[in-house]
Amino acid sequence: DTGVSQDPRHKITKRGQNVTFRCDPISEHNRLYWYRQTLGQGPEFLTYFQNEAQLEKSRLLSDRFSAERPKGSFSTLEIQRTEQGDSAMYLCASRGTGGSGEQYFGPGTRLTVT
Amino acid sequence: AQKVTQAQTEISVVEKEDVTLDCVYETRDTTYYLFWYKQPPSGELVFLIRRNSFDEQNEISGRYSWNFQKSTSSFNFTITASQVVDSAVYFCALSEMAGTYKYIFGTGTRLKVLA
Repeated sequence: DTGVSQDPRHKITKRGQNVTFRCDPISEHNRLYWYRQTLGQGPEFLTYFQNEAQLEKSRLLSDRFSAERPKGSFSTLEIQRTEQGDSAMYLCASRGTGGSGEQYFGPGTRLTVT
Repeated sequence: AQKVTQAQTEISVVEKEDVTLDCVYETRDTTYYLFWYKQPPSGELVFLIRRNSFDEQNEISGRYSWNFQKSTSSFNFTITASQVVDSAVYFCALSEMAGTYKYIFGTGTRLKVLA
């Protein structure tokens, strides 16, 4: 059973460019989460998918951010017109449908906007 | 609103010492989950434990133990006989027991275990 994978692991981009990150959850997990973690802080919730439906978005997710999970498997997070304040670790997590509530996290994508 | 507070920003101990990491939470929900995760330097969050709000039994797993007290809204984590490999950032998190189950994390406690 492979865990949650994320690609790329690191991304350096110039301000104003668009970037896209990918997350592949644990195969039997139908729930997928994106979080953002800045230096010295805990992760903050960005958005949640159940299968292909995006059911909740944080107000942290500005109009420049969009997330998709087209077939209920992998997910993408796109940031348009990146700003230096977008520099952070973007974490993806997945969870199954069982009664337990724990999420399993990927290794994250570290974004640096120069 | 839900909130998790980890007041200890950084703790340093010498190997083999015991150390307790504090976690205090706030929620209006009557049922909820509490979690602890470990984030080693590699960055990946590693699940350690989940506790239901209606189960106040303390738990021990090897050198790790957890003390959940609803009366004080605390869910503390103790490492006995710490080892250098325990060095990491530890996060406490809270989630509702319905809906999205999204996490509210504390700011983390960085534990340094010195040889």
